[in-house]
Amino acid sequence: DIQMTQSPSSLSASLGDRVTITCRASQGITNSLAWFQQKPGKAPKSLIYRSYILHSGVPSKFSGSGYGTDFTLTISNLQPEDFATYYCQQYNNYPLTFGGGTKVEIK
Amino acid sequence: EVQLVESGGGLVQRGGSLRLSCAASGFYFSGYWMTWFRQAPGKGLEWVANIKEDGSNKYYVDSVKGRFTISRDNAKNSLYLQMNSLTAEDTAVYYCARGEGWVDYWGQGTLATVSS
Repeated sequence: DIQMTQSPSSLSASLGDRVTITCRASQGITNSLAWFQQKPGKAPKSLIYRSYILHSGVPSKFSGSGYGTDFTLTISNLQPEDFATYYCQQYNNYPLTFGGGTKVEIK
Repeated sequence: EVQLVESGGGLVQRGGSLRLSCAASGFYFSGYWMTWFRQAPGKGLEWVANIKEDGSNKYYVDSVKGRFTISRDNAKNSLYLQMNSLTAEDTAVYYCARGEGWVDYWGQGTLATVSS
């Protein structure tokens, strides 16, 4: 199975900050990488697929990059609605696997 | 508007069974792979199973193989997850989602609790 390692597991940031979350795959997954946002008690929301393509309706403050084993999610100009947990997921191989999540909290 | 609504969760004893359903609307259901995920209380997301548009291909995470069965009824725009021989480790919110590898829309989830 492909292991997905996210870092950091949590971070504190202020309104207006730019933050970057990293995701590393235990083996190459080309660009078969997605990012999801989840708020407490809610279903996940799809943000990005194929490493960098924004899902319909996702604001351009979110951006993704990476290929192979190393990926990043960057969120610019943090706003209250962005404080949530973010997950990466690889879909290059079965079983599909997720990173452990990164909780973005208000400083 | 794409909508996915799960139902069928509840409290069941260890070794028991549950059948989850996911009612889809707002898109051509027969044209999409569909997927089940789950999330144990306070834990991360886990892929459970997915099924091809016509039901001819199905994939499962190892921990549920032989116990869970994913199926669909395209005439009813519905996805199912039959869960048998349940254990405490199956306690989770179960989400259905549209797509195969990458999923674009998720339901709100249904909670399945297995008591020991």
